[in-house]
Amino acid sequence: ILNVEQSPQSLHVQEGDSTNFTCSFPSSNFYALHWYRWETAKSPEALFVMTLNGDEKKKGRISATLNTKEGYSYLYIKGSQPEDSATYLCAFRLNYGQNFVFGPGTRLSVLP
Amino acid sequence: GAGVSQSPSNKVTEKGKDVELRCDPISGHTALYWYRQRLGQGLEFLIYFQGNSAPDKSGLPSDRFSAERTGESVSTLTIQRTQQEDSAVYLCASSLERGGLNEQFFGPGTRLTVL
Repeated sequence: ILNVEQSPQSLHVQEGDSTNFTCSFPSSNFYALHWYRWETAKSPEALFVMTLNGDEKKKGRISATLNTKEGYSYLYIKGSQPEDSATYLCAFRLNYGQNFVFGPGTRLSVLP
Repeated sequence: GAGVSQSPSNKVTEKGKDVELRCDPISGHTALYWYRQRLGQGLEFLIYFQGNSAPDKSGLPSDRFSAERTGESVSTLTIQRTQQEDSAVYLCASSLERGGLNEQFFGPGTRLTVL
């Protein structure tokens, strides 16, 4: 059974703070890692797809890094805004054509 | 369509009844996934369809759960003899499944409440 972990489970930050959280996954085999943002009452929305060790992706104030050798990915948010409040999910895929295993998510609350 | 759609958006049913949930994926997407999220828990994989391959049913929690997909279009998830623990938001997602990207596009979900 593949286990994908995320930490912390939840965090509260002040508007303007920068923050980061972690996704850990099995490092023995790797195909892809996805990050999603899931806002309350909406559908999960794709942020990044990462496939290569050392990948760094950036979208506005949000960026992510990937280390497949040690089995982790970091998501960074610079200058958090209230609209960043959401649950951030990572999803690990072992091989092409196989299903995704989602982590439990990190719930971020940005206080104005 | 423009996105993944699901119906109904909400379903309240009595314990023991059967329910059918529907998902319309994005046109041309060969892969379709069903997930559920029970209260206070993470996203739980249920079943995965990819083209004409045999579906990956490894996430279905019991034989009361089944799903079908017609070609590369609509999918239905059926829960027979519903139990209270089946109450959850059921999400469907589709992806193009071509090359390395394969990001999933999620529908709005069906909130199932079993009384």
